[in-house]
Amino acid sequence: DVQLLESGGGFVQPGGSLRLSCVASGFTFYNYAMGWVRQAPGRGLEWVSDISGGGGSTYYADSVKGRFTISRDNSKNTLFLQMSSLRAEDTAIYYCAKKPDLAVTGTDYWGQGTLVTVSS
Amino acid sequence: QTVVTQEPSFSVSPGGTVTLTCGLSSGSVSTDNSPSWFQQTPGQAPRTLILSTNTRSSGVPDRFSGSILGNKAALTITGAQADDESDYYCALYVGSGISVFGGGTKLTVL
Repeated sequence: DVQLLESGGGFVQPGGSLRLSCVASGFTFYNYAMGWVRQAPGRGLEWVSDISGGGGSTYYADSVKGRFTISRDNSKNTLFLQMSSLRAEDTAIYYCAKKPDLAVTGTDYWGQGTLVTVSS
Repeated sequence: QTVVTQEPSFSVSPGGTVTLTCGLSSGSVSTDNSPSWFQQTPGQAPRTLILSTNTRSSGVPDRFSGSILGNKAALTITGAQADDESDYYCALYVGSGISVFGGGTKLTVL
């Protein structure tokens, strides 16, 4: 069974940094693109970032471009999201998302999410 | 700025059929946008229903179907059940690696 387990969320002050991780199992990790989707409290889903299977191509929403960096370690079946210059509006549950193939379109499996709270 | 539009709310009677739609502010939705549909209940992670316009995700009953209707993507639920009461989100691929979610539709079954 596909499993995605996020970690790294927590409380951080504005301007601070945080690194999220997502450990994947149940599939051949490097054969699939991966991504992050977030959901602010009481709000809808927002696409954040995607990365290709090999890690050579990355994509970002305008709201996080220049502040967030997505990466992956295929030897450890792990996806990362390095977040810096955090703002209050980055407060959200961050979900790890598996793509159905090497392309970055669509999401077939989701993690349970990790909560990031940005507040002074 | 690309905006993906969904009905904010919808209601359906138990056993009834409902069609939710997903549009683009900048024009028509096509299969090139690879529409996806997701179901989410409060406090839970999203669940994928439909990929690539009309492909049901693993384990999704055939009561759920996806299509293109006119210039929008559509999710049709036939034989609605009480536990279909959820928030439904669509997502569209708009090119250059960018995806956009709609604002979601709150479906009530009553």
